[in-house]
Amino acid sequence: QQQVKQSPQSLIVQKGGISIINCAYENTAFDYFPWYQQFPGKGPALLIAIRPDVSEKKEGRFTISFNKSAKQFSLHIMDSQPGDSATYFCAAEVKSTDKLIFGTGTRLQVFP
Amino acid sequence: NAGVTQTPKFQVLKTGQSMTLQCAQDMNHEYMSWYRQDPGMGLRLIHYSVGAGITDQGEVPNGYNVSRSTTEDFPLRLLSAAPSQTSVYFCASSSPVLNSPLHFGNGTRLTVT
Repeated sequence: QQQVKQSPQSLIVQKGGISIINCAYENTAFDYFPWYQQFPGKGPALLIAIRPDVSEKKEGRFTISFNKSAKQFSLHIMDSQPGDSATYFCAAEVKSTDKLIFGTGTRLQVFP
Repeated sequence: NAGVTQTPKFQVLKTGQSMTLQCAQDMNHEYMSWYRQDPGMGLRLIHYSVGAGITDQGEVPNGYNVSRSTTEDFPLRLLSAAPSQTSVYFCASSSPVLNSPLHFGNGTRLTVT
């Protein structure tokens, strides 16, 4: 049973467009929600993260929106670039542990 | 600074063979973990360790063993490989600081025939 549900599975965006990836969770024991970016042949790397006491966090072109009541969070990539083409994973950390539960991943392709 | 190093990068096994995937980190991280990545399934936690001598099971531990005799090393053992264990395996580590990021290795691609 997937504890963190992620959609869409794949996403194609034109250069300059907005990429949006959504995640949902059910377990209220999660208290930290990072996003990881993975390029082919590499391990995932932390992109941006949010705690549930904040509704939005922005770092450059990347923004996380968090809706605690709906148990949903999303990643927005503004002005998407071909270099953003990668697989993106949302994740949730179990409270008071280092255990990260990942979503199923979204393959983003940004075409010029 | 090497970070998290995984060996080998690629491996082909026959069903029933055993092998150990190696993972070493040089960041003095206490927390280490193993994930497997399969298409459409994301990253699933196999085993993890919060320090030397301490290990615990993740979401999909069956068929895998781990041990943590030192802070630096966290090997993953497949005792009797099965085709269902064909996957890309990632080792990761993090510091004990709250919400510190996971640092991943570059993975081992394992094929079991």
